[in-house]
Amino acid sequence: AQSVSQHNHHVILSEAASLELGCNYSYGGTVNLFWYVQYPGQHLQLLLKYFSGDPLVKGIKGFEAEFIKSKFSFNLRKPSVQWSDTAEYFCAVNDGNAGNMLTFGGGTRLMVKP
Amino acid sequence: SQTIHQWPATLVQPVGSPLSLECTVEGTSNPNLYWYRQAAGRGLQLLFYSVGIGQISSEVPQNLSASRPQDRQFILSSKKLLLSDSGFYLCAWSSGGALNEQFFGPGTRLTVL
Repeated sequence: AQSVSQHNHHVILSEAASLELGCNYSYGGTVNLFWYVQYPGQHLQLLLKYFSGDPLVKGIKGFEAEFIKSKFSFNLRKPSVQWSDTAEYFCAVNDGNAGNMLTFGGGTRLMVKP
Repeated sequence: SQTIHQWPATLVQPVGSPLSLECTVEGTSNPNLYWYRQAAGRGLQLLFYSVGIGQISSEVPQNLSASRPQDRQFILSSKKLLLSDSGFYLCAWSSGGALNEQFFGPGTRLTVL
């Protein structure tokens, strides 16, 4: 079975600091990769996704993620965070299964101090 | 546009009581539907998914069951709740295929006392 690890459970940054959240997965075959974000009081929503092609993926709100196949990683980055980026971030993987089932990581709570 | 609804938003139930959580999707047809449980520090755990009416797959053994009586309705149930069933339950839909994102509902906070 697949597993997804997010090693940073809680991250606290000041505004304008750079962000990198780690995500590693265990599946050795072809994978599709996602980052979801849950802002306080809001629905879980998609931040970005990778299926194929350029391993550097750009998403909404200035976020990007890099797929490194040799490291089984899909880390999320943002060069300069804002207070409004305070949220919980989830990495997720599917292996192309027919049901489009996702395996999620444990999540990372990001707090950005103004 | 598509929307997904869940109710109730919050629920407090005694141990041993039954449970019924409802999820409905509007604006799409024949969606894949999913129930997840979100526990603090443990991310989202897939409980059930459905690719069509009456088709339910369970991902983990548990005290819960799911049903899909209509194309855009997904119900999570239990005959007798346990304390360990407390959590935040999320419903999601996708239009099928591994390349499609899942869209999540607002969730139901269940507390079993």
